[in-house]
Amino acid sequence: QVQLVQSGAEVKTPGASVKLSCKASGYAFTTYTMHWVRQAPGQRLEWMGRLSTGNGNTRYSQNFQGRVTITRDTSASTVYMELSGLTSEDTAVYYCARDPCPSCYYNWFDPWGQGTLVTVSS
Amino acid sequence: EIVLTQSPGTLSLSPGEGATLSCRASQSVSSNYLAWYQRKPGQAPRLLIYAASSRAAGIPDRFSGSGSGTDFTLTISRLEPEDFAVYYCQQYGSLPLTFGGGTKVEIK
Repeated sequence: QVQLVQSGAEVKTPGASVKLSCKASGYAFTTYTMHWVRQAPGQRLEWMGRLSTGNGNTRYSQNFQGRVTITRDTSASTVYMELSGLTSEDTAVYYCARDPCPSCYYNWFDPWGQGTLVTVSS
Repeated sequence: EIVLTQSPGTLSLSPGEGATLSCRASQSVSSNYLAWYQRKPGQAPRLLIYAASSRAAGIPDRFSGSGSGTDFTLTISRLEPEDFAVYYCQQYGSLPLTFGGGTKVEIK
């Protein structure tokens, strides 16, 4: 079955960067776009951006432009999300989530990874 | 950016009762591109509904979605114990993709 397994929790200091991974299995990796979504404590879910795993094209939310980079390693069926210039406001659970449209975008999410907690604290 | 407002914030109901959750958009959602997700504590969100009214694979028919334009509804016809959770709407008609703040359905 389709499965997305994310890397473990991270603790970072302000100003640092974090790079999270999302390993996909159970389907043809390069056929489906991957999105990243986060949820900070007490805040709503927030879309960060997406990566077309076939050609590597990306689209980022303006809220993260310049700070977020999404990449992939097709040989490992893994997508990465790197966020730089961390502040306490970046403390959140970060999710990868697959777009269910093969070789296109629906821009909704099914399924989701289990989430990775990133804590930013001095 | 389309802002989604969900109401009520919390719904206190008993198993067997029906639930009606609202999601209102700040502007019309293109082509009724609206999804609903369920999230239980410690779990990732699960897709319930897409395109406002289409049930995702494996979702029981007690879940139904309706609405168009700026007003959308998720209805749970008879609450089962496993349905007590937080529900989110999400619009995908325009970028950036945005979510509502959630409605918590709790046991009364």
